[in-house]
Amino acid sequence: GENVEQHPSTLSVQEGDSAVIKCTYSDSASNYFPWYKQELGKGPQLIIDIRSNVGEKKDQRIAVTLNKTAKHFSLHITETQPEDSAVYFCAASISGYSTLTFGKGTMLLVSP
Amino acid sequence: DTGVSQNPRHKITKRGQNVTFRCDPISEHNRLYWYRQTLGQGPEFLTYFQNEAQLEKSRLLSDRFSAERPKGSFSTLEIQRTEQGDSAMYLCASEDTEAFFGQGTRLTVV
Repeated sequence: GENVEQHPSTLSVQEGDSAVIKCTYSDSASNYFPWYKQELGKGPQLIIDIRSNVGEKKDQRIAVTLNKTAKHFSLHITETQPEDSAVYFCAASISGYSTLTFGKGTMLLVSP
Repeated sequence: DTGVSQNPRHKITKRGQNVTFRCDPISEHNRLYWYRQTLGQGPEFLTYFQNEAQLEKSRLLSDRFSAERPKGSFSTLEIQRTEQGDSAMYLCASEDTEAFFGQGTRLTVV
């Protein structure tokens, strides 16, 4: 089955800096890669996703890149704000066929 | 608010008791998932419904766990004879082209 590894496990940045979280996956058939943000005591919230037919997707301060050859995908957050502090999870699946497999999460702390 | 509703939000139970959780998905979504999340880990898949049919179950889902989705609408997850190791956050997600999660039910077995 799919295995997703996520790094780093914790990331501390100053407000206004950029943050990058990286994931690798093992199943070359995976074609859907969402990112979720989870705040304490809440369920994961979908923030952005990418499908294998594109290499990059942006939504305001958030971007995701995908390298299918290397089986890597990354989340980039620019101009970080304290409210970006949360745990971020990457996931992978074969869209419409398999369930999501999640990484172990990255705790992002943005200091004012 | 994602539109996926889970009840209760918190449940404390004594070891050996049975508990039942409910999930109300986004109404037009046919696919519904249950995941379990323990501290410091990502969600782990438990089971999956397409309409009312339970199509897949994880090896994590022991015989003490059962899930239903009558009429393809809401779903329930029951845990019988709870054990301390069952303490976790139980998450429900409903999916069309993207999966949206509820706020989860935090189960504590004492």
